[in-house]
Amino acid sequence: DIVLTQSPGTLSVSPGERATLSCRASQSFTSYLAWYQQKPGQAPRLVIYGASSRATGIPDRFSGSGSGTDFTLTISRVEPEDVALYFCQQYGTSPLTFGGGTKVEIK
Amino acid sequence: QVQLVQSGAEVKKPGSSVKVSCEASGGSFSRYAITWVRQAPGQGLEWMGAIIPVFGRVYYAQKFQGRVTITADDITNTAYMELGSLRSEDSAVYYCARGDDPGDYAINYDYWGQGTQVTVSS
Repeated sequence: DIVLTQSPGTLSVSPGERATLSCRASQSFTSYLAWYQQKPGQAPRLVIYGASSRATGIPDRFSGSGSGTDFTLTISRVEPEDVALYFCQQYGTSPLTFGGGTKVEIK
Repeated sequence: QVQLVQSGAEVKKPGSSVKVSCEASGGSFSRYAITWVRQAPGQGLEWMGAIIPVFGRVYYAQKFQGRVTITADDITNTAYMELGSLRSEDSAVYYCARGDDPGDYAINYDYWGQGTQVTVSS
């Protein structure tokens, strides 16, 4: 199984600052990598798919990049509504797997 | 607009089974895989398996093989996930999810159900 390791566990940023979330895979795979945002008590919401494509309705301050084993989600200017848990998911190899998540909080 | 509506919370005894439903509306049902993902308290997401109704194909994570059964009814546009031999570690929120790529289960998920809390307790 492909293990996805996310870092940091918690990211504390001030409004307007940049947030960089990392997702590292235990083995290389094609860019079938997605990012999800989950707010408390809600289901996950797709943010990025194909490593770098924004999902419908996602603001352009969210961007994804990376390939192989290293992927990044960047929030260029964090806003209070971005406070959430963010998960990466690989869907290139079965079983599909998720990272452990990064919590983004506001300073 | 695709919507997935799941059945309500369940409380089960250890050793019993639970069956969670997921009714889809707003688009073709049988061409798209319905996937089941669970989330234990304070934990990450765990892929359990998926079904593609039009092909009648079901895919399970090895961890749950033999204990989980995923089915679909394309008359009522409803998918089901039944998990047996329940133990306390199975207490979690169970989600169904669907993507926008027909005929494939190894995809990202654009649509999610609201989640079903399953509590296993004696």
